[in-house]
Amino acid sequence: QQQVKQSPQSLIVQKGGISIINCAYENTAFDYFPWYQQFPGKGPALLIAIRPDVSEKKEGRFTISFNKSAKQFSLHIMDSQPGDSATYFCAASMRGSNYKLTFGKGTLLTVNP
Amino acid sequence: GAVVSQHPSRVICKSGTSVKIECRSLDFQATTMFWYRQFPKQSLMLMATSNEGSKATYEQGVEKDKFLINHASLTLSTLTVTSAHPEDSSFYICSAREPGLNTEAFFGQGTRLTVV
Repeated sequence: QQQVKQSPQSLIVQKGGISIINCAYENTAFDYFPWYQQFPGKGPALLIAIRPDVSEKKEGRFTISFNKSAKQFSLHIMDSQPGDSATYFCAASMRGSNYKLTFGKGTLLTVNP
Repeated sequence: GAVVSQHPSRVICKSGTSVKIECRSLDFQATTMFWYRQFPKQSLMLMATSNEGSKATYEQGVEKDKFLINHASLTLSTLTVTSAHPEDSSFYICSAREPGLNTEAFFGQGTRLTVV
């Protein structure tokens, strides 16, 4: 059972465009929703995270939109740059499980110059 | 953010031998560490959760005797792949979080294991 569904699997965007990646979850006990960026051969790095008590969080060019009733959250990358080309993972975790992360399957983002 | 160091970054070993991977939290004490396995172009698969001073909790389908996890101190957890076989070749990643309500997990840089 996949608890966090991520789409699209891959995404190609032109430089300066907006990249949008979507995730949906099933378990309403999740209370922490991070996004990770991973470059080839490296470990994931936290980009931005949100809790369900807010509907949006913005940090620089990265924004998370959160829809609690729909059990969906998305990552928006504004003014996408070639250096943003990487694999992005959404995840979810909850208290009482040591906050272990359940990951989506990932989105390979390619930003063309 | 906090730093998690994983060593080695790459290792090649012969079939039947064992290999140890270390995961250290450099500037914080990690009561909980997680070990993941990642196949090419796939997501991270949680293998086990280790808590300092107690036995690791393994995910369903992960062989405890194959993947030995030790969390002997608040800054060090080790994963030993015993009697390695080519199918154990993968990218292994650890993560750690501080105690308390901080939910952020910091990841190591990963270890590429190749069993020949």
